[in-house]
Amino acid sequence: GQQVMQIPQYQHVQEGEDFTTYCNSSTTLSNIQWYKQRPGGHPVFLIQLVKSGEVKKQKRLTFQFGEAKKNSSLHITATQTTDVGTYFCAGLRQAGTALIFGKGTTLSVSS
Amino acid sequence: DSGVTQTPKHLITATGQRVTLRCSPRSGDLSVYWYQQSLDQGLQFLIQYYNGEERAKGNILERFSAQQFPDLHSELNLSSLELGDSALYFCASSPRGQGWGTTEAFFGQGTRLTVV
Repeated sequence: GQQVMQIPQYQHVQEGEDFTTYCNSSTTLSNIQWYKQRPGGHPVFLIQLVKSGEVKKQKRLTFQFGEAKKNSSLHITATQTTDVGTYFCAGLRQAGTALIFGKGTTLSVSS
Repeated sequence: DSGVTQTPKHLITATGQRVTLRCSPRSGDLSVYWYQQSLDQGLQFLIQYYNGEERAKGNILERFSAQQFPDLHSELNLSSLELGDSALYFCASSPRGQGWGTTEAFFGQGTRLTVV
């Protein structure tokens, strides 16, 4: 069954507002990756987090990996219409070989 | 363009039939992964091949099978199709096989399968 939970499932914001999606695993993860899928497109890799408590930034996007390596978050500051899409977290279980994807958070942005 | 090629892009077939989806990984990538994406289940991992050998299995039905050929392209075979098999099937590739999560995966454009 699904072992990586993502919330919220959907989020609508006004352009310029902030957005956060959360990812939680029932087991400790070796690492976590984030992907973005635009409507009608395919998942595209955004970033990978490996270390406990790691924080990485990509322009307006901030990614965090929890201290216990069981949760992660993606925060977008001042959303733009180009941020529209579904954001997936994907965790690699310790000793695992395949990433387990969350169901994703679909972000819509109105201008 | 991710460098991963999937064919066909769209496929419509009847229940009970068998289809084959094809994936060509990025040049040099040894690992190929198959995912099924449906509206209510997100991205479900089906199976992974590394350099021609099966490496990991996920939620793949017995009616489904896959293989990776010496030239590293892969095929996913779906048989005795049911309405519920309608989904988007993605192939992804990465350079390595062990703990593939240590490196990013490159996804193809997907094959949209519709079973009628």
